This record gives sequence, structure tokens and C-alpha cells, in this order.
Amino acid sequence: AQKITQTQPGMFVQEKEAVTLDCTYDTSDPSYGLFWYKQPSSGEMIFLIYQGSYDQQNATEGRYSLNFQKARKSANLVISASQLGDSAMYFCAMRENYNNNDMRFGAGTRLTVKP
Amino acid sequence: NAGVTQTPKFQVLKTGQSMTLQCAQDMNHEYMSWYRQDPGMGLRLIHYSVGAGITDQGEVPNGYNVSRSTTEDFPLRLLSAAPSQTSVYFCASGPLSSYNSPLHFGNGTRLTVT
Repeated sequence: AQKITQTQPGMFVQEKEAVTLDCTYDTSDPSYGLFWYKQPSSGEMIFLIYQGSYDQQNATEGRYSLNFQKARKSANLVISASQLGDSAMYFCAMRENYNNNDMRFGAGTRLTVKP
Repeated sequence: NAGVTQTPKFQVLKTGQSMTLQCAQDMNHEYMSWYRQDPGMGLRLIHYSVGAGITDQGEVPNGYNVSRSTTEDFPLRLLSAAPSQTSVYFCASGPLSSYNSPLHFGNGTRLTVT
């Protein structure tokens, strides 16, 4: 069964605007972590932000924030004030406590920032 | 800081050939893993290790072999390459096997099997 779902294969955003990348997940484990990675055209995987299942506050890292809605099992990434360098693939991922050796990834969303 | 180093960056193989993808990390991480990335499918776990001498299979292990003789190195062996193994391969490491720990990735190896 698909654990991580990213329903937006591609997204466009105007430079300096905010954009939300959607991610929903499926787990019955009460302890889990959610991660977002950025993959620019050069190919490397860059860790952006983490949200734990017990965290009360939404995670933030600079221009990145995670809109965590536990009851809806969603963990959307919000990028504020988009920059041209934000153009990349973005992957949502999850590690569950009972199977923490396997980080599960979504299919990814390709974000293009327009000047 | 080197982090996770993968070699080679690119490789072309003929069907039936074997090769080893190298991965080394200098962060003293216990956990290491190999993923493959295919279009529309995200990354999928091939094999992982939680310490020297300990390895286990992930979601897509067939056709691949691993060993972990040191903390630093975790090579991935393709025993008899097939076109279905054309993919981008990532090695990743983490300080421990825990659900709240991010993985650090190498820069990837793009493999083409003809």
C-alpha cells in the first residue's frame, strides 16, 4: 500500500510568492517522523525539514514550514517568498517507529519558479 | 566535510555484467542504506545496514548484494546487470536507526544497463 502520496506531479509559482506542496501519509504507528527533501537538477538530495508525530508545533526552517494536520494525516510543505533557486523536485518521506530502517518516499512534486 | 561519497557518478553496463557501486561516509553513522530512484516512484529501499557485519533487505533487494565490513563503507554489488536495473542509485546514512532521524544522502550514481 502506498504510504506517502504526493498528488501534484508539477507545480508553478511566481517568484516571491508562497507555494504549498501537498503530502498525505498512511500509518497506524503512533510514532513516526515526516521529512521533506529537495532534489535540484544537479541530482543531490537535500534535507529540508522534519516533523515528529508528537510535535505540537508546526516545524519551521527559514522559508520552509510544515503544515502538519495529524488527524487528516497530511504534512504539506510551505515555501514562502519563492526564489528561482527553489525550482527542483521535492520529496515527502516518512519513517515509522516499528519499521524505522525504511524511509518511505512519495513520488515527488516538480516545482518551477517563474521570474 | 565529505559526508556521504558515492562512486562512480555515471556507469554504463551491458546486460549480464557485474559491478560494485561504492559508498563511504565519514560521519561515524551506524545506519547506512541503498535506494534506487525511478521516475514517478520516488526512492525505494534496496538494502540497509545498522552496523558493521549487519545487513538486511529492503523493498527491492533482488539482483543486488551488500556487505558491511567497516562502519565507513557500504558497497552495493550488481551480480548480473539487467535493463530493469537502469536507475539512479543513492547511498544514505544516519546516526542511528530511529524514526526521528533524517538521512544524509550521497550525490547518486546514474546507471544505464543496455
